Amino acid sequence: GAGVSQTPSNKVTEKGKYVELRCDPISGHTALYWYRQSLGQGPEFLIYFQGTGAADDSGLPNDRFFAVRPEGSVSTLKIQRTERGDSAVYLCASSLRYSGANVLTFGAGSRLTVL
Amino acid sequence: KQEVTQIPAALSVPEGENLVLNCSFTDSAIYNLQWFRQDPGKGLTSLLLIQSSQREQTSGRLNASLDKSSGRSTLYIAASQPGDSATYLCAATHGSSNTGKLIFGQGTTLQVKP
Repeated sequence: GAGVSQTPSNKVTEKGKYVELRCDPISGHTALYWYRQSLGQGPEFLIYFQGTGAADDSGLPNDRFFAVRPEGSVSTLKIQRTERGDSAVYLCASSLRYSGANVLTFGAGSRLTVL
Repeated sequence: KQEVTQIPAALSVPEGENLVLNCSFTDSAIYNLQWFRQDPGKGLTSLLLIQSSQREQTSGRLNASLDKSSGRSTLYIAASQPGDSATYLCAATHGSSNTGKLIFGQGTTLQVKP
């Protein structure tokens, strides 16, 4: 596609529920990143993929968070047993290649609200 | 551990003014530093990327500088316009290799009044 697409744009859920957030990167971009942005803060790194594998998942806050990219394109961020503190905008970005002048293109984000 | 700070948190200027946004980082061993723009409810748009070997980059009315020794970067906006109103974020790479892992500042929210 022309840009990075994220769905849903808004998700409201109850504490304890399971949610999935989807990211469709720019076609041909091999690197994919997930960031989380809380209100009034800059984005915080969660995980990035080079191809199908998670090259760095050091930003995932705990084992309730998991992300996959099974075919090296679309990625899904999965959050189990959601907590109110998980409320944030989840941003996805992709880039043409992992190394070099790595300009990230961001999606509009998925706003998650946990009640 | 890399930490990025942006001051001020908010800035309001009249249209036509030149202005400077500041960014500081604690670890000078960076691969690059980037400036982004974020409009309300939108994602981030990359404005300028400065490699660690460079001192500045320019795009139109924007000029970004990098001084690794002092751990500082500035974004200069010339002849500001109301359409420049947005939040500006700087981000430094985590470490000196290009991992794609960026450490962001909290942003400076700019309002340009007509």
